[in-house]
Order: sequence, then structure tokens, then C-alpha cells
Amino acid sequence: QKEVEQNSGPLSVPEGAIASLNCTYSDRGSQSFFWYRQYSGKSPELIMSIYSNGDKEDGRFTAQLNKASQYVSLLIRDSQPSDSATYLCAGYTGGFKTIFGAGTRLFVKA
Amino acid sequence: NAGVMQNPRHLVRRRGQEARLRCSPMKGHSHVYWYRQLPEEGLKFMVYLQKENIIDESGMPKERFSAEFPKEGPSILRIQQVVRGDSAAYFCASSPRVLAGGSNEQYFGPGTRLTVT
Repeated sequence: QKEVEQNSGPLSVPEGAIASLNCTYSDRGSQSFFWYRQYSGKSPELIMSIYSNGDKEDGRFTAQLNKASQYVSLLIRDSQPSDSATYLCAGYTGGFKTIFGAGTRLFVKA
Repeated sequence: NAGVMQNPRHLVRRRGQEARLRCSPMKGHSHVYWYRQLPEEGLKFMVYLQKENIIDESGMPKERFSAEFPKEGPSILRIQQVVRGDSAAYFCASSPRVLAGGSNEQYFGPGTRLTVT
């Protein structure tokens, strides 16, 4: 069974620190990966997409993909209390299905 | 530039009734996905549809659940004879297309919170 695994957390970091969120996947055929942010009671919001090995930066967010090791990570620099949410990692296998991890809860302490 | 729209946002049904959840994808999007999320749990894929076609329904329970995406109008997720275990948030997502290289960015609607009493 194709899976995307995340540590459920909670991950707690002080304001201004770097938050590091990690994700591993089982399907080597996975082609692209996504990070979604979900605030409590709200719907997931797409914040990053990454398709090739290496780093992709967008503002305070950096996504990292290592296909050989089958992991994806999301770094949030200068973490803010407003970043406190659940972060969902998702992998697209090409079979029309995107597999979501269970999410990691992040708390940023002011 | 409207996003994905879902209605109703909250739906209360008694056991045995039918629930109909609607989803209108973003303009220009022809792919629709339905997910279910229980409290404190991740998203569970239910079904993927294109206009007038069900592409993948491997996540749909075999009984009581059905989905459609007609040529005109929104996508509908229908749950017949609801039970308490159906209480959850149901999210719809849409994407513009599936590229050969594997891009499949999905954008989510606000969800429908179904409560079965």
C-alpha cells in the first residue's frame, strides 16, 4: 500500500526559530509532492509544490526533496505564531491519486 | 476569481436520511476530488471525477455512497441512509489538469461538516 508518513507531533518551536517538518513516502514512482497548511476547522491550503530533487524556496518556506531517500521536508524560517497549524505532506503517484499524510501539528510559541 | 465552492457548509441529518454535498470547482478546472476527514485525522481520498466520468472511486465505501460530476452543474457526493459514523468533514478539491510530468496541484473548498444525529 502506498503511504506517506509524517510525525504527528506536536512540534513546538519558539517564535523566530526554524521549524523543520519531515515526510517519507513508500512509492518510488511518486512524481511530485505538496505541502498543505490546515488551520483548525479550516480546509487545507496549498503552500508549496516540488517536483525535482533539491530545494525550492518561496519566501520563508523551503521545500526539499530527496527521491533517492524518499523523503520530503518543509522548512519554515522565522516562524511566527500565525504559522501554528497542521501541515500535510502529499505525494502524487501519477495514478490520478494524491496520497496525504496524517499531518504534523506545529506550535509556534510567542 | 472564485475558488472551489462547497455547499452547504454545515449539514445535520438524522440517521437514515440522505445527505447531498455539492462542489463547484474553480473556473477552468475539470478535475474534482472528494476527501473525508475525521477529527484529528488526515484526509482520506474517496473519489476522483472528471466531467461525466468517474475516474477512480477506490476510496468510496461500497454501499450508500455515490458521486457524480455532470456535464452541467456541480459535482455531487451523495450519502444514503446516513449513520453516525458518517459524521465528518467532507472536502472537495479541484485541479486544472494532470500534466504528463506528474503535476497535480489541488485546491480545496471550505468543506461541508456533516453531523448525523
